[in-house]
Amino acid sequence: GAVVSQHPSRVICKSGTSVKIECRSLDFQATTMFWYRQFPKKSLMLMATSNEGSKATYEQGVEKDKFLINHASLTLSTLTVTSAHPEDSSFYICSARDGQGTHEQYFGPGTRLTVT
Amino acid sequence: GENVEQHPSTLSVQEGDSAVIKCTYSDSASNYFPWYKQELGKRPQLIIDIRSNVGEKKDQRIAVTLNKTAKHFSLHITETQPEDSAVYFCAASRRNYGQNFVFGPGTRLSVLP
Repeated sequence: GAVVSQHPSRVICKSGTSVKIECRSLDFQATTMFWYRQFPKKSLMLMATSNEGSKATYEQGVEKDKFLINHASLTLSTLTVTSAHPEDSSFYICSARDGQGTHEQYFGPGTRLTVT
Repeated sequence: GENVEQHPSTLSVQEGDSAVIKCTYSDSASNYFPWYKQELGKRPQLIIDIRSNVGEKKDQRIAVTLNKTAKHFSLHITETQPEDSAVYFCAASRRNYGQNFVFGPGTRLSVLP
């Protein structure tokens, strides 16, 4: 099946620094990728939809200047958490949709961000 | 927009018993309903999905039913095993390319040996 990788799997950073998380579709082209945030024992909250070659669409309440999303190629999307604060600590998961039009979303393994 | 509710939030069953998780959705235009299983610290994995043109789908011990009129769908797991213990999420989406999923809050299933 389709494989989505995410890097890094864990990151610890200091308050005020920026962190970049990469999401890659390894064996298919993904024109659409999604970024989710998941708090402990909670559901997946969609942050933004990332379309290759165009600006990301952010969900209400998500600051686009704080969570920068770039989808420069059909296999890579990046999420940069700028000027991170402890409240940004969370589990971030990306998913990718196959460009052939199947409806399934394939999830990455997630990145656990801890801001100290 | 779409709103998905899921019940129960936690469910404990004895090994071998059946487990049922129910979801409701609000957008009558939604027509694709996947179920994901997420083990602790791991990525969600699709276990079964159903489209609005069918009322039931089965895959071995897992089945999903859909009632479009009532806007609810359910996951049924029979002959539960300890490895079925996980968090299960339902989701709803419109079957247009690029449409995002709206997830339910999840159900933590524990299968007791």
